[in-house]
Amino acid sequence: DAGVIQSPRHEVTEMGQEVTLRCKPISGHDYLFWYRQTMMRGLELLIYFNNNVPIDDSGMPEDRFSAKMPNASFSTLKIQPSEPRDSAVYFCASSHDRVGQPQHFGDGTRLSIL
Amino acid sequence: DQQVKQNSPSLSVQEGRISILNCDYTNSMFDYFLWYKKYPAEGPTFLISISSIKDKNEDGRFTVFLNKSAKHLSLHIVPSQPGDSAVYFCAASVEGYQKVTFGIGTKLQVIP
Repeated sequence: DAGVIQSPRHEVTEMGQEVTLRCKPISGHDYLFWYRQTMMRGLELLIYFNNNVPIDDSGMPEDRFSAKMPNASFSTLKIQPSEPRDSAVYFCASSHDRVGQPQHFGDGTRLSIL
Repeated sequence: DQQVKQNSPSLSVQEGRISILNCDYTNSMFDYFLWYKKYPAEGPTFLISISSIKDKNEDGRFTVFLNKSAKHLSLHIVPSQPGDSAVYFCAASVEGYQKVTFGIGTKLQVIP
């Protein structure tokens, strides 16, 4: 079975540019999560969706961040405009809607904003 | 305010010995706990979990212990192997809810 697929794996761009991160969850999973990993704060939940509907976006740091899930097999996380402090590894994860089911993570997008 | 705390950023252990990774939590609503393992350039992978109705859960070389009164859990790896070298994340949730809160991680190095 294919796991969670994220693209791109690496992104380097200049401050002020728009950045779009993409995620394809595991087929049949009901939940999709976006996380950000930094040295200081570890893995932070940014937003999560259930059946394509955003449930909790309280972790989204600013209005510059937005996320969409237009269908069950695709989600995007967009940063516009990007800033150097957005540099981090961004992970997407998905899971079943069953008690005790763990989240399955993609391999992440390493984002560097110059 | 970190609700899940891993106070040791790193740990080194000799191959064959026991590795003990610790985790504390502050939110008394948490009743389901997980450990994830992460290799460089890969996403975290689920390792083992425990519900608050138990105080121990074992899976091969990995055992998780939960002390609810102390709001503390630990992951024991016996015997430790070089392939166990990774970052270990402690995580907690309210059972039945998908939102999971992660700790900052502990980097384990197993020395051959």
